[in-house]
Amino acid sequence: EVQLVESGGGLVKPGGSLRLSCAASGFTFSSYSMNWVRQAPGKGLEWVSSISSSSSYIYYADSVKGRFTISRDNAKNSLYLQMNSLRAEDTAVYYCARASPPRYCSSTSCPDYWGQGTLVTVSS
Amino acid sequence: DIQMTQSPSSLSASVGDRVTITCRASQGISNYLAWYQQKPGKVPKLLIYAASTLQSGVPSRFSGSGSGTDFTLTISSLQPEDVATYYCQKYNSAPFTFGPGTKVDIK
Repeated sequence: EVQLVESGGGLVKPGGSLRLSCAASGFTFSSYSMNWVRQAPGKGLEWVSSISSSSSYIYYADSVKGRFTISRDNAKNSLYLQMNSLRAEDTAVYYCARASPPRYCSSTSCPDYWGQGTLVTVSS
Repeated sequence: DIQMTQSPSSLSASVGDRVTITCRASQGISNYLAWYQQKPGKVPKLLIYAASTLQSGVPSRFSGSGSGTDFTLTISSLQPEDVATYYCQKYNSAPFTFGPGTKVDIK
């Protein structure tokens, strides 16, 4: 069974930093692209970042470019999101999501499995 | 960047009704379009990819169509468990933008 478990969320002051982690199990992590998607309270889904299976391709939304860094450790079956210079508008539930197999979506996005999310609140 | 829009933003329909949601891309994206369902308080679920291919386990009352810039998600016979917000997402190239969502409830 595919499982994605996020951790690292919490309350942080504007300008602060936070590192999110996602522990993956139930599939060959090193074979899949991974994503971070966020959802502000009461709002829609916002794609944040994607990373290919070997970290060769990395993409960011303009809203986080230069402030957030996605990375992965295939030996540890883990995905990370380093978030710096946090702003109030970064307040959201952050989901770790696995990209669909290439034979289905041919993309580093198009997530088919999602974690339960971790809440990040940026407030003074 | 390509913008994604959805219409309507919300709708209310009766059980058994046919429901159609539209997603439009500001530029052509071929068939690189996915649909997601998010029930209240739950995690999003992939329904359809490649514009019209049903994800495994998704009921056949859901269908998708379209290519280029205009896409539709159809629920052939609305069920109470279909109450949710539905999102489209483009995945041809980054940024992998989601549409703003369409909230569906029962009349």
